Amino acid sequence: QPVLTQSSSASASLGSSVKLTCTLSRGHSSYLIAWHQQQPGKAPRYLMKLEGSGTYNKGSGVPDRFSGSSSGADRYLTISNLQSEDEADYYCETWDSKTGVFGGGTKLTVL
Amino acid sequence: EVQLVESGGGLEQPGGSLRLSCAASGFIFSNYAMSWVRQAPGKGLEWVSTISGSGGNIYFADSVRGRFAVSRDNSKKTLYLQMNSLRAEDTAIFYCARSDLIADFLFDYWGQGTPVTVSS
Repeated sequence: QPVLTQSSSASASLGSSVKLTCTLSRGHSSYLIAWHQQQPGKAPRYLMKLEGSGTYNKGSGVPDRFSGSSSGADRYLTISNLQSEDEADYYCETWDSKTGVFGGGTKLTVL
Repeated sequence: EVQLVESGGGLEQPGGSLRLSCAASGFIFSNYAMSWVRQAPGKGLEWVSTISGSGGNIYFADSVRGRFAVSRDNSKKTLYLQMNSLRAEDTAIFYCARSDLIADFLFDYWGQGTPVTVSS
């Protein structure tokens, strides 16, 4: 089954941009993934699904500041014009035929 | 508006059982696969189980297979998770999630979660 690797932490300044990375394991580089945001003390929220081509479709109400892109086995979540409410854990997610898989999550700190 | 509301969590002793429920509204429940995802204290998200819209296809993580059962009542728009032989490592917040129409394991809406604590 696929494995997703994420950096454990990232930080960026208020108003700047940040690019979070999720890397698919060997043999799974074409897989579609999803990005989810989890603000402190809250339930996860679906942000988008992201294809290997870089095409992405965002969930309802997700701000334009959030975008996705891909390169090989890497899937990216870019957040522009960072706001304080963007400080959260970000998880990527994928699956094979019978199993759901999450990355370990990246804790984003907004400075 | 899609809403998912979990209930049934609580404190249970090791070896005991709990039944979680997830009441859905705002969409045609029977058209969508549904899943349970959990999060242990201070840890990341872990997929637990998925059931197809008809209930005919069911999948479990290795960590719970044989101990947990998932079911749904489409007439009541409710998803269930029966948890048996509970262990301390099952302590977590359990989230109900709706699956995207294109993929049973792509979760596009989440409930607020219900906490489960397994301790003597």
